[in-house]
Amino acid sequence: GNSVTQMEGPVTLSEEAFLTINCTYTATGYPSLFWYVQYPGEGLQLLLKATKADDKGSNKGFEATYRKETTSFHLEKGSVQVSDSAVYFCALQTGANNLFFGTGTRLTVIP
Amino acid sequence: KAGVTQTPRYLIKTRGQQVTLSCSPISGHRSVSWYQQTPGQGLQFLFEYFSETQRNKGNFPGRFSGRQFSNSRSEMNVSTLELGDSALYLCASRANTGPDTQYFGPGTRLTVL
Repeated sequence: GNSVTQMEGPVTLSEEAFLTINCTYTATGYPSLFWYVQYPGEGLQLLLKATKADDKGSNKGFEATYRKETTSFHLEKGSVQVSDSAVYFCALQTGANNLFFGTGTRLTVIP
Repeated sequence: KAGVTQTPRYLIKTRGQQVTLSCSPISGHRSVSWYQQTPGQGLQFLFEYFSETQRNKGNFPGRFSGRQFSNSRSEMNVSTLELGDSALYLCASRANTGPDTQYFGPGTRLTVL
């Protein structure tokens, strides 16, 4: 079946620190992989995506590479800001099916 | 383009009542999916509608139902509300039912007392 395992939080970092949030997946077929971000009191915003192996998704300084050999899609950012404080969700989608989400990782960035 | 809109944003109901939530997809999108988000269960898929037909359904009881109109707007209904139905209900739209990216609305926060 389909599942996403995501790094447990919460994660607290100082401003300008390096961020990694680990995500691994199990899927039937060839999934597309996503990172969504949820700010307090809001819905989910698409942060980045990758649709095939070795693709790198990037947006707003965040990056993630689709690694088929390790079934991973780890999120990274070189220098986090206070405004990056949010909950981050890793998700997969196979074909026309629905999204399967990880449990979410809460990131707090302190000045 | 305007994003996905959901109404109302907040709702308070009591046990046993029923509730209807509304979702308007991005213009041109024909698929609407609904998800429930709770602290305990995380994000769970409820159902998806495409061209007014339910094409996929998650593991929720029959009290949860939905429909889609010819303009692709969708409604979700929950009957005989239970305390455990308190959640953020998120709607997502995508252009078609293929491997298109889903875009989410801000959600409706339902509280059942």
